[in-house]
Amino acid sequence: DAEITQSPRHKITETGRQVTLACHQTWNHNNMFWYRQDLGHGLRLIHYSYGVQDTNKGEVSDGYSVSRSNTEDLPLTLESAASSQTSVYFCASSDQKGGPTDTQYFGPGTRLTVL
Amino acid sequence: AQSVTQPDIHITVSEGASLELRCNYSYGATPYLFWYVQSPGQGLQLLLKYFSGDTLVQGIKGFEAEFKRSQSSFNLRKPSVHWSDAAEYFCAVGARAAGNKLTFGGGTRVLVKP
Repeated sequence: DAEITQSPRHKITETGRQVTLACHQTWNHNNMFWYRQDLGHGLRLIHYSYGVQDTNKGEVSDGYSVSRSNTEDLPLTLESAASSQTSVYFCASSDQKGGPTDTQYFGPGTRLTVL
Repeated sequence: AQSVTQPDIHITVSEGASLELRCNYSYGATPYLFWYVQSPGQGLQLLLKYFSGDTLVQGIKGFEAEFKRSQSSFNLRKPSVHWSDAAEYFCAVGARAAGNKLTFGGGTRVLVKP
């Protein structure tokens, strides 16, 4: 079955370290998204991509970067981790049919703690 | 810019009772509206979505939602709650003009009493 996976599921790191969170989908979806989930804020969009070599900033992109070298993967990198980036991170994908019916499918999430 | 408000942070309901979760959105054009559910430790699962047509939308797990343009609302309902419905529920709004990106509300956590 097609799916979207994230790794690692849990990560503890130190302030200032570079961290990369992986997201892999097997639906062959064009669109991929990264969100962070914080109490009281719901999910906020960090970065998104509409296809290979395409990346765009979301509403909370500072301190994060992504790259899209193939359809299946959109890794999220924290260049220099900060305590404010302690959060749960979700990856999602959707099929770009050009219409509003695109449903976003979510991965299981990565819980990141920055000490 | 689009925005979503879920006024209730927590709701406690007895098993078998009805449930209604409120969602208010702000968007200048016709929005696309979604309800997602997140069980503890899990990702988000789509319950239902509205794009056009019939304003009463049926979803999975016995949920339904009604789009009311005059009130800018998209409330989620279930006639009889089961213990397995204990979860966090998120309303989201999207739009073609926004590249189909989603904006989420803050979520409502539902607790089910036996």
